[in-house]
Amino acid sequence: DVKVTQSSRYLVKRTGEKVFLECVQDMDHENMFWYRQDPGLGLRLIYFSYDVKMKEKGDIPEGYSVSREKKERFSLILESASTNQTSMYLCASQRNTYPEAFFGQGTRLTVV
Amino acid sequence: QKEVEQDPGPLSVPEGAIVSLNCTYSNSAFQYFMWYRQYSRKGPELLMYTYSSGNKEDGRFTAQVDKSSKYISLFIRDSQPSDSATYLCAMRKSNTGNQFYFGTGTSLTVIP
Repeated sequence: DVKVTQSSRYLVKRTGEKVFLECVQDMDHENMFWYRQDPGLGLRLIYFSYDVKMKEKGDIPEGYSVSREKKERFSLILESASTNQTSMYLCASQRNTYPEAFFGQGTRLTVV
Repeated sequence: QKEVEQDPGPLSVPEGAIVSLNCTYSNSAFQYFMWYRQYSRKGPELLMYTYSSGNKEDGRFTAQVDKSSKYISLFIRDSQPSDSATYLCAMRKSNTGNQFYFGTGTSLTVIP
């Protein structure tokens, strides 16, 4: 079974803090994604990575950055957390030429 | 107009009922169709995917794609309280790249 593991289930951070969300997958997938999920808005793509050190902006990259130094690990960084970044963050991975993505358990981030 | 439309519900059915969940889409280029189940405060879990038109069955679950009507369905037979979750549809034009198009999800409750 594919396993995508996010480092935290719940996080509470203060406005202005730098926040790191970590994601690890164990299936040697090339592609990894960070989404945020908000009620009524569904899943929105923040960043996508198709290889080590390679990344593409998604639909809502403002206020976020990413890092992929190893194939299995994809990190999402909130440079200066703001209250409007309170959300459910979902990491996913996908093997090239296979259509389906596999998600982690999610990180519920609250910025106060 | 959103590319993928999904009725948010909520949908409430008695245990044992047949459930029909649906999505419509506007882009005829979509070829890959996926259904995810998401329990409260968890990440989405892939249930099944289909390529192009037709039916696919897995246990109590049947996925159906009608490309001529741009309409996909997920049927759940003999529904159980453990099926209570939000169901997301997702679509892709190809099996490469970063483009997943998600519905916003339908909330289902199966009453014992």
